Amino acid sequence: DVKVTQSSRYLVKRTGEKVFLECVQDMDHENMFWYRQDPGLGLRLIYFSYDVKMKEKGDIPEGYSVSREKKERFSLILESASTNQTSMYLCASSSRDQARYEQYFGPGTRLTVT
Amino acid sequence: GNSVTQMEGPVTLSEEAFLTINCTYTATGYPSLFWYVQYPGEGLQLLLKATKADDKGSNKGFEATYRKETTSFHLEKGSVQVSDSAVYFCALHYGNNRLAFGKGNQVVVIP
Repeated sequence: DVKVTQSSRYLVKRTGEKVFLECVQDMDHENMFWYRQDPGLGLRLIYFSYDVKMKEKGDIPEGYSVSREKKERFSLILESASTNQTSMYLCASSSRDQARYEQYFGPGTRLTVT
Repeated sequence: GNSVTQMEGPVTLSEEAFLTINCTYTATGYPSLFWYVQYPGEGLQLLLKATKADDKGSNKGFEATYRKETTSFHLEKGSVQVSDSAVYFCALHYGNNRLAFGKGNQVVVIP
């Protein structure tokens, strides 16, 4: 069974802290994605990576950075967390093969910044 | 640009009722279209997809037909169950394997 796992289901951090969200996939997928999900706004793409050490900004990259040192792992970093980054964060992965490009999602991390 | 529009607001209906969730899209070319479902406390799962005009995707009693002339991909189910209560997202595939999502519709099925 295909699997995308995220390091935490719930996380509470203080304003100004550095926050790491980890995502691991076991499907040997080339592409990995970070979204945030907010009520009334749907899913918005923060960053994605199409290969190891490669990354591309999504629609809302401000305040975030990412790291992909290994194919199976994609990290989202909040350098200095702020209250407006309180949200649900979803990681996803997909194959580069155009015939199999649907994205597979992890369970999400609900981050609260106080 | 590439975007998806879903009907506004939650959908509440009784068990065994007919469900329709509207989805229209704006895109260059003919993108593949998807419906994803998110059950409470979980991530998104692919529900169904269609890759070209007039294709019908189907799964778990849900159906959606890719209509190029109306740029639509409406989701339907003939008889919903309480277990269908979830959030449903329409999405289109574009560019370098990206997906553009609609805002989602909360569906609540009452016994």
